[in-house]
Amino acid sequence: QKEVEQDPGPLSVPEGAIVSLNCTYSNSAFQYFMWYRQYSRKGPELLMYTYSSGNKEDGRFTAQVDKSSKYISLFIRDSQPSDSATYLCAMSVASGSRLTFGEGTQLTVNP
Amino acid sequence: DTAVSQTPKYLVTQMGNDKSIKCEQNLGHDTMYWYKQDSKKFLKIMFSYNNKELIINETVPNRFSPKSPDKAHLNLHINSLELGDSAVYFCASSPPRTGGYEQYFGPGTRLTVT
Repeated sequence: QKEVEQDPGPLSVPEGAIVSLNCTYSNSAFQYFMWYRQYSRKGPELLMYTYSSGNKEDGRFTAQVDKSSKYISLFIRDSQPSDSATYLCAMSVASGSRLTFGEGTQLTVNP
Repeated sequence: DTAVSQTPKYLVTQMGNDKSIKCEQNLGHDTMYWYKQDSKKFLKIMFSYNNKELIINETVPNRFSPKSPDKAHLNLHINSLELGDSAVYFCASSPPRTGGYEQYFGPGTRLTVT
């Protein structure tokens, strides 16, 4: 069983839709939770970072962490064609420890 | 431009050959990483260096040998290449005092072994 599970999609939505991306994990020691965005043929870039449980909002993006359920989510409001990318969740146990990535969800936002 | 750069961008080679990938960051970061991303987009860490010192060494065949001549450079040498080594290899770096969660990735090196 993988430590981090993420539905690879692909996920296709119309422009303006609310997108929900999710990851589950098995290691209860994870404390740091990240979402990276990767455009085609590019390296991943950090989108959101959350420590422990709770919500974090940045513009159209909201990250949620539910440690009791071992479940994290990324919501994208008013999705745009420029949001079309692969979204990777990542987690780590402690500051400075290795990141464990999900396999990524491929998102396409259709104009 | 301030960034993480990798050379070459594409590498096509035959089984059994030895090849190197170079990585440089001019962001002033202390920690650098090598990742392998397979065809299913699964990104897995291989190595991590902090100030030229190896701190993470995942279960990687010893045909892979990283080398950090200084904290701005981290190279990856691969001996006796195999078909299964075909993947995209990403170099990344992270600034101090962020705990490694904020990583800046290079553009990747697409390695194809035939």
